[in-house]
Amino acid sequence: GAVVSQHPSRVICKSGTSVKIECRSLDFQATTMFWYRQFPKQSLMLMATSNEGSKATYEQGVEKDKFLINHASLTLSTLTVTSAHPEDSSFYICSARPRRDLEETQYFGPGTRLLVL
Amino acid sequence: GNSVTQMEGPVTLSEEAFLTINCTYTATGYPSLFWYVQYPGEGLQLLLKATKADDKGSNKGFEATYRKETTSFHLEKGSVQVSDSAVYFCALSTSGTYKYIFGTGTRLKVLA
Repeated sequence: GAVVSQHPSRVICKSGTSVKIECRSLDFQATTMFWYRQFPKQSLMLMATSNEGSKATYEQGVEKDKFLINHASLTLSTLTVTSAHPEDSSFYICSARPRRDLEETQYFGPGTRLLVL
Repeated sequence: GNSVTQMEGPVTLSEEAFLTINCTYTATGYPSLFWYVQYPGEGLQLLLKATKADDKGSNKGFEATYRKETTSFHLEKGSVQVSDSAVYFCALSTSGTYKYIFGTGTRLKVLA
């Protein structure tokens, strides 16, 4: 149980285009989903927290107009990188916290590797 | 503020060697503690967790004990395998925020 999927797993796009990444909790409802960014050989950096039906909360230094997050249902959150540039190339990972989990465990998706040319 | 400190890697071991990866934390209140493992090109997988002092988390031969007096959560395994080669992340979650704070990760390489 507690499986989280991400789609696509890998995407290459041209500079200036927008890219949408989906994060789904497959076998549980997620009260909260998180979006992280990971640079090569570095730790995960939390970008934003999204709660179903409300606006996402962004971490300091993360541009909310650049990284649009929508959490339309208890099993789906999307991250849209708008007007992508080469510096946005990274590994994006989502996680989900089960609705009834009292122990604050997060379950992570397999990640999406974005390359902006 | 809250933080997690992990020993720097990479750690290189021979198969069947004993593994310890140190993790210490700074936090207010009573955090939950986690170890996650990341295999090349993949996301993070929960390895084990502990939610209160003196709890021991264990999974797949890995163990870690929540030590409040030393604010530590060291990861151990008695006999590592080549398949254990990965990056290991220690993390904490403080009650109420549901946000994780990760350590920098420790890369483990096990040689046959």
